[in-house]
Parts: sequence; structure tokens; C-alpha cells
Amino acid sequence: AQRVTQPEKLLSVFKGAPVELKCNYSYSGSPELFWYVQYSRQRLQLLLRHISRESIKGFTADLNKGETSFHLKKPFAQEEDSAMYYCALSTPDSWGKLQFGAGTQVVVTP
Amino acid sequence: IAGITQAPTSQILAAGRRMTLRCTQDMRHNAMYWYRQDLGLGLRLIHYSNTAGTTGKGEVPDGYSVSRANTDDFPLTLASAVPSQTSVYFCASSVGLYNEQFFGPGTRLTVL
Repeated sequence: AQRVTQPEKLLSVFKGAPVELKCNYSYSGSPELFWYVQYSRQRLQLLLRHISRESIKGFTADLNKGETSFHLKKPFAQEEDSAMYYCALSTPDSWGKLQFGAGTQVVVTP
Repeated sequence: IAGITQAPTSQILAAGRRMTLRCTQDMRHNAMYWYRQDLGLGLRLIHYSNTAGTTGKGEVPDGYSVSRANTDDFPLTLASAVPSQTSVYFCASSVGLYNEQFFGPGTRLTVL
């Protein structure tokens, strides 16, 4: 069965420092990977998906099939990046349904 | 445009009671989903519907039922609530199963 692992429950970084949120998945085929974000008192929303290859709010994520990873990175964290981040996986076997990781809480301190 | 709404915002429920969580979207999305969010477990899919009139089981369907009588509404029913169903419940919708999902604000349910 496919699985998404986010090993860090909490990441605390200083403003201006780089931040990397780890995401590993278990699936042998061609997955589609997503990062969703939930800011305080806001709804869960899509941050980015690997097929779009975009940089959103300064965040990037590269799908590494060899390492089965989809880590989220930002070179200079901002206080408004403080949020809960979820990595999610979709596969052809799951007919597009999402499998979420446990989430990583990011706290950016000034 | 409201997008996707959920009701109630929060509820405290006695064990054994029946409860229906409501979800309505006005985006004419075909697919809808119910998740529960638990600390340390992330979001887990309870049930989904890829179009009006059809539903399917997710990862944790036991104790829950859904119906999809029309495109806009996707209620989630707990027939006889148990304390392990204490959670935050999120409804979501997407144009189709493979598209971006849009989430509601959530319902915080406590079963005592």
C-alpha cells in the first residue's frame, strides 16, 4: 500500500534561514505529489504540485523518484510561512484520491 | 460565492447518538470527499464521491456513511457515535478525481 512519511512533526526556524520539509513516499509506479498548507484560522489549500514545476511563495519541491522523495524547500523563511504543511500522494491505482502524510508544523521566529 | 461550506462548526455529542455533518459546495464540482484530521495521523479519507449518485469507501469508512443525492451536497452521518470518532472533519471537492481539492473550514466533533 502506498504511504507518505513526513518525519518531522515540528520545524522551528529563524526568519531568513532556509527551511526544508521532508516528504518520502512508498510507491513503485508513477505518482503525483502535492504539498498542501494550512495557515492559522484558514482552510487547507494547495501550495504546489510536482507536475506544474512552479515556485509558489518562494517554495519549490522536486520529485526524486530514485529516493522516493518530494521535499519542500525555501531559501529564506518568512514569518508568514508559519503553518501546517502536508505532503500528499496520488497514484493511478488510487484513481486520483489523495494519501496524506502526518504533517509538519513550521514555526518561523523573528 | 461561498465555495465549500460545512455545518456545524463544532459539536459536542454523547456517545451512541446519531449525527450528520453537512457539506455544501457551489462550484459544481463533480468529486467530493470527507476526511478526518487527527494529531500525528494527518488527514485520512473516510468516504468519497466522484459524481452525484455514486459513493466509495476511503481509508477509514467504518462507523460512517455518506450519500450524494445531488452535485452540491455530501452529508456525512455517524449512526452511533463513539469517542474514537472525536476529530476534526474536513469536506473537500474537486472538478474531478485527479484535480486540485478545495477544502471546507472543518467541523470539530467531540464525542463523550
